[in-house]
Amino acid sequence: GEDVEQSLFLSVREGDSSVINCTYTDSSSTYLYWYKQEPGAGLQLLTYIFSNMDMKQDQRLTVLLNKKDKHLSLRIADTQTGDSAIYFCAEIPRLGSSNTGKLIFGQGTTLQVKP
Amino acid sequence: GAVVSQHPSWVICKSGTSVKIECRSLDFQATTMFWYRQFPKQSLMLMATSNEGSKATYEQGVEKDKFLINHASLTLSTLTVTSAHPEDSSFYICSARGQPNTGELFFGEGSRLTVL
Repeated sequence: GEDVEQSLFLSVREGDSSVINCTYTDSSSTYLYWYKQEPGAGLQLLTYIFSNMDMKQDQRLTVLLNKKDKHLSLRIADTQTGDSAIYFCAEIPRLGSSNTGKLIFGQGTTLQVKP
Repeated sequence: GAVVSQHPSWVICKSGTSVKIECRSLDFQATTMFWYRQFPKQSLMLMATSNEGSKATYEQGVEKDKFLINHASLTLSTLTVTSAHPEDSSFYICSARGQPNTGELFFGEGSRLTVL
């Protein structure tokens, strides 16, 4: 079945790097996403990676994908207090030869950044 | 990036009434929209897939008569919570997938429903 797992909480100090981890079960997923949700707000797409890539870097964000272990990580360099939020990883599983189009979300990781 | 807008952002209603939530794609046409429900401190749960011009596809366990979805145009999908009860109180979020399908979804800001 489709399942995405994340650790629930991470606390870091301002200026440190944060690494948020995610595991997924559907090896045929084509897209894997990271979303950010601030309190009381909707979801903001941070970045996504195609399944044929191992790494993607976008300013302070680095996404690593280990397809063999079905492991996805998001690294935030020089973490700031404004990065405090809930981070969700998500996948779009495939049904047969087509994308299902629906996102399967992890439980979300609450990132707390201390000054 | 593309913008998806939800309205209202917050609604309080009495038990037994119906509430309609709108999801609009503002600068692109969305053939497919998705509706999610999020309980406090929990992840998003996909409720249904809304396809323009056809019936919505509901996920297992979601009552289609309770949560009516209409996707009458390429820029608007609506979710109506009928005969709302306190247990329907939640944060409802929509997302839209544009044409052509890039795999990227754009999310609305969410609508918080409180049923008294």
